[in-house]
Amino acid sequence: DGGITQSPKYLFRKEGQNVTLSCEQNLNHDAMYWYRQDPGQGLRLIYYSQIVNDFQKGDIAEGYSVSREKKESFPLTVTSAQKNPTAFYLCASSWATGLAGANVLTFGAGSRLTVL
Amino acid sequence: DQQVKQNSPSLSVQEGRISILNCDYTNSMFDYFLWYKKYPAEGPTFLISISSIKDKNEDGRFTVFLNKSAKHLSLHIVPSQPGDSAVYFCAASALGGSQGNLIFGKGTKLSVKP
Repeated sequence: DGGITQSPKYLFRKEGQNVTLSCEQNLNHDAMYWYRQDPGQGLRLIYYSQIVNDFQKGDIAEGYSVSREKKESFPLTVTSAQKNPTAFYLCASSWATGLAGANVLTFGAGSRLTVL
Repeated sequence: DQQVKQNSPSLSVQEGRISILNCDYTNSMFDYFLWYKKYPAEGPTFLISISSIKDKNEDGRFTVFLNKSAKHLSLHIVPSQPGDSAVYFCAASALGGSQGNLIFGKGTKLSVKP
């Protein structure tokens, strides 16, 4: 079945450590996104990528980094510079920007990061 | 400043009745709107969308209404079922739906009681 796989589902990190969240999709989508959800908050865009080897900052990119070396993969690294990293992280994908339906995002099941 | 606002954090409805979830937006550049449904510990799933060239879109029990002059949209669920209990997010985008960078509201938690 086509879809988006995020791993790990739960992750604990000590303060000062970097951690990488995995996101893989087999939908052949061109664009991929990372959103963050906090309790009582909407989803906020961290980074997005419309094509391999290219990505742009979203609204809350500080303290995060990404790479897009393959079409199927868009890993997110939460660095020690992120002041409040405890959150639920959601990866999504869609058809390429500029095509009809590009804003219908397909989401993964999410990764919950807790900083101890 | 929130560009997409869902002012009701929660809504409780009896099974079989209508659920109405509301959403307001401030950015006049938004021209495509979507509703997503989210269960706990899962990713959101797409429910229904509407372009600004329409004022209504219907899909089974779900209907979205758009009032551009008031910058307001609403999602109607008729009849409501217990399985509809979830958090519903309103989202908006610009450029005629060709852009995947959605702006989300904070969500409304719907509880449908048997």
